[in-house]
Amino acid sequence: DAKTTQPTSMDCAEGRAANLPCNHSTISGNEYVYWYRQIHSQGPQYIIHGLKNNETNEMASLIITEDRKSSTLILPHATLRDTAVYYCIVRVANSGGYQKVTFGIGTKLQVIP
Amino acid sequence: GAGVSQSPSNKVTEKGKDVELRCDPISGHTALYWYRQSLGQGLEFLIYFQGNSAPDKSGLPSDRFSAERTGGSVSTLTIQRTQQEDSAVYLCASSLASGLYEQYFGPGTRLTVT
Repeated sequence: DAKTTQPTSMDCAEGRAANLPCNHSTISGNEYVYWYRQIHSQGPQYIIHGLKNNETNEMASLIITEDRKSSTLILPHATLRDTAVYYCIVRVANSGGYQKVTFGIGTKLQVIP
Repeated sequence: GAGVSQSPSNKVTEKGKDVELRCDPISGHTALYWYRQSLGQGLEFLIYFQGNSAPDKSGLPSDRFSAERTGGSVSTLTIQRTQQEDSAVYLCASSLASGLYEQYFGPGTRLTVT
């Protein structure tokens, strides 16, 4: 699976959009971009995923560059409850039915009142 | 519906003792994963189950670690002769299948080896 790089930490003012970048320059054509977050003392929570088109759901939006070498997770109106570590990972679409998922250290997002 | 549950939520054990950690996946989820997370670190993959078989055990750090899954449901992670470096949060996740399905994580078991 492709390696991802993310900033170690970010701050965002409450109510503003939080834009979390992720670089995955070695991503291959059959790898999807996934985002999870982990709120303190809880297990990781799935947020969103995409292949090459931008995606939006009730939690966030995912913007993937045309060359797919980077992406941005957007939380449109950050709240204090969004303070968490955000993980960007890439996963192969079909690998005999199995995908080993590797989580890095992620980005610690601090939403400030 | 019920999510992934893990027990115990906290476990303190003496060095050298064996421990068993339990994971109850979401009903109907055929894939099950174990990870561990040391303080301030990312998630470290340990083992993956598809049904009752474990096609990937590559993440198990030593032969003191083993896991099994019965009935395609409950899984147990066993650590024998625990060491202080085994102290971590052990997370279990399940997914509908082993393909491109998101993983749902349990709350974890915090293991402290004294």
